[in-house]
Amino acid sequence: DAKTTQPPSMDCAEGRAANLPCNHSTISGNEYVYWYRQIHSQGPQYIIHGLKNNETNEMASLIITEDRKSSTLILPHATLRDTAVYYCIPSGGSNYKLTFGKGTLLTVNP
Amino acid sequence: GAVVSQHPSWVICKSGTSVKIECRSLDFQATTMFWYRQFPKQSLMLMATSNEGSKATYEQGVEKDKFLINHASLTLSTLTVTSAHPEDSSFYICSAKENSVNYGYTFGSGTRLTVV
Repeated sequence: DAKTTQPPSMDCAEGRAANLPCNHSTISGNEYVYWYRQIHSQGPQYIIHGLKNNETNEMASLIITEDRKSSTLILPHATLRDTAVYYCIPSGGSNYKLTFGKGTLLTVNP
Repeated sequence: GAVVSQHPSWVICKSGTSVKIECRSLDFQATTMFWYRQFPKQSLMLMATSNEGSKATYEQGVEKDKFLINHASLTLSTLTVTSAHPEDSSFYICSAKENSVNYGYTFGSGTRLTVV
């Protein structure tokens, strides 16, 4: 499994964009980059995933560098409810397993 | 979207007893489900992969005789913690994926197990 490096914590002001970086320099060619988040005492929630193109959905945008060694998750207008631990997880295959690292604790402040 | 229901949400049991946790995919079929464990202030640790109609695959260091997994149908997997001890107290979470859609796994809301 590809290893990931994420900052342990970040702060963001409510209403501002939150940009969460992730380094995954050992990612394999067939591995996607998945982002999940976990709000305290709840199960993780899927956010977005991508292979090499940038992706956007109703929750967030994902920017993947051309060499695929890093990516950035962007929450365009962070709210207090976005306070959570965010996990970046490279994974691939038809029945892939998700290996969670330590993630980034994002705290959105009023 | 896909929903995974986990039951119970919390349970307290006496040391030496067994506890069963259920994981159901409510509106889709899941041939594969995963079971995780999470200790306080730690990340999720994958325990095992549950395969419908066959034996589960356990991660290294996870005792298969202690954590019994049954995946008898395409919508239900169960995890039984046998002869529970206080050190088994943890947050147990399951996940499943709907094969026909292109998004990630859906997780249950978790079960908080406390062994006293």
